[in-house]
Amino acid sequence: GAVVSQHPSRVICKSGTSVKIECRSLDFQATTMFWYRQFPKQSLMLMATSNEGSKATYEQGVEKDKFLINHASLTLSTLTVTSAHPEDSSFYICSARGPPSGDLQETQYFGPGTRLLVL
Amino acid sequence: SQQGEEDPQALSIQEGENATMNCSYKTSINNLQWYRQNSGRGLVHLILIRSNEREKHSGRLRVTLDTSKKSSSLLITASRAADTASYFCATGSGNTPLVFGKGTRLSVIA
Repeated sequence: GAVVSQHPSRVICKSGTSVKIECRSLDFQATTMFWYRQFPKQSLMLMATSNEGSKATYEQGVEKDKFLINHASLTLSTLTVTSAHPEDSSFYICSARGPPSGDLQETQYFGPGTRLLVL
Repeated sequence: SQQGEEDPQALSIQEGENATMNCSYKTSINNLQWYRQNSGRGLVHLILIRSNEREKHSGRLRVTLDTSKKSSSLLITASRAADTASYFCATGSGNTPLVFGKGTRLSVIA
């Protein structure tokens, strides 16, 4: 249980276009999902917390108009990178807090990540 | 902001040897978790240790937690080539998102 999927796994786009990344919890409901960004050989940097039915909470320095987050259902959160630029190229990973059962609810389950390359 | 700091940043060992990674953190926590990441992939949860626990085992993994020193260690015994990955510690407190350290890159040479 507690499987998270992400789509697409890899995307290449031109500067100025928008890219949508989907994060789904497959076998549990996730009221809270998280979006991270990771540069090569670096740690995960939290971008925002996505709450079902309400606005996302963005970390300091993350432009909310640049990285649009929508968490419209208990199993789906989307991250849209708007007007992408080469510096947005990175590995984007989502995670969901586990179902309310023992240690699971304090554990985050991660998607496989999306590698974005902006040309 | 980073909370955990893993040590060493990189570790290379022979298959069959034990690997020890350390993590230090700064603030009070409810739990500390260790994750593994294979290159270019998502993170896989390994083990969670609560602030009132001192040691926990899971298979070949042994985790210790010293809240007085704000540090934790992950020991992988009898390492295998498949253990080659980056290992991250992450601290949890209430409903706040996990904060990850910089990770230790482990290479296990067959």
